[in-house]
Amino acid sequence: SQQGEEDPQALSIQEGENATMNCSYKTSINNLQWYRQNSGRGLVHLILIRSNEREKHSGRLRVTLDTSKKSSSLLITASRAADTASYFCATRTDGSGNTGKLIFGQGTTLQVKP
Amino acid sequence: DAGVTQSPTHLIKTRGQQVTLRCSPKSGHDTVSWYQQALGQGPQFIFQYYEEEERQRGNFPDRFSGHQFPNYSSELNVNALLLGDSALYLCASSSREPKNIQYFGAGTRLSVL
Repeated sequence: SQQGEEDPQALSIQEGENATMNCSYKTSINNLQWYRQNSGRGLVHLILIRSNEREKHSGRLRVTLDTSKKSSSLLITASRAADTASYFCATRTDGSGNTGKLIFGQGTTLQVKP
Repeated sequence: DAGVTQSPTHLIKTRGQQVTLRCSPKSGHDTVSWYQQALGQGPQFIFQYYEEEERQRGNFPDRFSGHQFPNYSSELNVNALLLGDSALYLCASSSREPKNIQYFGAGTRLSVL
């Protein structure tokens, strides 16, 4: 079963614009991660935010986490055509000493037009 | 430093057949997780192997089984294939500690006809 729901399902923007995608989840989490997937191939880890953090930055990426609303958002600033991909949020719900199983959302497909 | 490698890249099988997918983890990693990704969906956790044992399992039937070898590589076996098993199968590796970040292979695309 899927833990998260992502919104929007698809997003189309022009190069240089910002892209925002949202993720909601159902149960308490240990951390939340965002992954990128190009053309249905392997996933690439982008950023991890722990349950006690509210915001995190990595280059052009900004992630926020609101545990009271069980939601997260990923902002990509100054988008490029190379950012075209599917983006997934994934939650880890187990505590330390466990397996680190990830539960993924349905994903947001981002298209950045040159 | 090789990343996670999976073989084969593509596979076509018919209903009722059995299939074996292979995964070599990233150097230094000892934990392997397998995920199934249906078209247009997010990956779903199948199971995870550490120290040659299945440590956790997702909601998949017993037709799905796995193995981990002493060199940490892993196999995913699916018996009695169904049309619904058609998907991208992803292998991810991580170190035992910390194990927050999983590194994914490019996947094996399985088509069941």
